[in-house]
Amino acid sequence: DIVMTQGALPNPVPSGESASITCQSSKSLLHSNGKTYLNWYLQRPGQSPQLLIYWMSTRASGVSDRFSGSGSGTDFTLKISSVEAEDVGVYYCQQFLEYPYTFGAGTKLELK
Amino acid sequence: EVQLVESGGGLVQPGRSLKLSCAASGFTFSNYYMAWVRQAPKKGLEWVATISTSGSRTYYPDSVKGRFTISRDNAKSSLYLQMNSLKSEDTATYYCARQPYWYFDFWGPGTMVTVSS
Repeated sequence: DIVMTQGALPNPVPSGESASITCQSSKSLLHSNGKTYLNWYLQRPGQSPQLLIYWMSTRASGVSDRFSGSGSGTDFTLKISSVEAEDVGVYYCQQFLEYPYTFGAGTKLELK
Repeated sequence: EVQLVESGGGLVQPGRSLKLSCAASGFTFSNYYMAWVRQAPKKGLEWVATISTSGSRTYYPDSVKGRFTISRDNAKSSLYLQMNSLKSEDTATYYCARQPYWYFDFWGPGTMVTVSS
């Protein structure tokens, strides 16, 4: 199985500052079609997860452009520019390259 | 508006069975793969099952393979998860999710399953 490892944030993050969350996969998520099958989700307190980014860097419909995804085949970053109160929650990376689909353990973002 | 609403959760004894349902609306259900994802209390997310548009193909992780069965009824826009031989480690909130092949783009509010004697 592909293991997803997420980094921690130096919480709390001051409002208006930027925050970067890292994720590493145990296998390259770069498909032969050129797409990288890495997704990011946010789970706000008491809510279901919501899709933020797919294919490593494509924002999902309705997602603020303050969120951006980047990376290589095995190392990924979700950047949140100008953190706001609504960004508080747990962020998960997930690989969709092969079964079983696996998630990282989550990275909590708290606001100062 | 896309809506997914799970039901069927509850308290069940170890070794017993439970069937979850997910009612979908706001999109053409038969055009999408669907999935179940679970979250144990205070823990992270775990993918549980995926089913193809026709229902002919299903996929599971080893942790539930042979015990859980995902199915769908496209005429009723409904997704199901039959869970047999339940264990305490199956205790979790179970989410129904729409899967346009490469990601989960809509999630339901979840239904809680507690396996305990």
